Amino acid sequence: KAGVTQTPRYLIKTRGQQVTLSCSPISGHRSVSWYQQTPGQGLQFLFEYFSETQRNKGNFPGRFSGRQFSNSRSEMNVSTLELGDSALYLCASSYTGIGGYTFGSGTRLTVV
Amino acid sequence: AQKITQTQPGMFVQEKEAVTLDCTYDTSDQSYGLFWYKQPSSGEMIFLIYQGSYDEQNATEGRYSLNFQKARKSANLVISASQLGDSAMYFCAMILTQGGSEKLVFGKGTKLTVNP
Repeated sequence: KAGVTQTPRYLIKTRGQQVTLSCSPISGHRSVSWYQQTPGQGLQFLFEYFSETQRNKGNFPGRFSGRQFSNSRSEMNVSTLELGDSALYLCASSYTGIGGYTFGSGTRLTVV
Repeated sequence: AQKITQTQPGMFVQEKEAVTLDCTYDTSDQSYGLFWYKQPSSGEMIFLIYQGSYDEQNATEGRYSLNFQKARKSANLVISASQLGDSAMYFCAMILTQGGSEKLVFGKGTKLTVNP
């Protein structure tokens, strides 16, 4: 079966711009979580969506937002990009959000 | 607060030898789960092994085994017969449950290099 698909794989944006990242979960999985990975802070939880509802949110500013569609695909948006937003953004899907996470290959965002 | 500590930033091992990657955790929960993930340079997080806090036996998955010592709050990953393809970052993680939702809390990771 197809895995978790994240698009695009690489992205270069300028400070002040906004960006949208996409995540298509494994078919049948209803939970999608997002993580930010940076060399300094490591892997940090952004938010989790289940059946189109945000169930949990990490400690990130309001510039980071997300949504989930009825087909479970999820998008995250970062507005007014800062240099510190440069990171690998990973998406993980699971059937219930209770363990059993499968990660995508990530989107590597560079802000210049 | 739940926390994962990986004290080895980097480890080296010879091909075909075994290696142990350390992980200690801190939690006040009685029920919890621990994961190990492998992250090659491509970026994808690959699930390796899972241990539940009430599991009496140490988890094993092929060449991977988890040395779970509950009293010491440690969950070390043992890779037997290392292969060149095992060179990667390895992350220990714990599930944190919040209001019906879960998230993973990760350690800082250990970079494993397998030498021929």
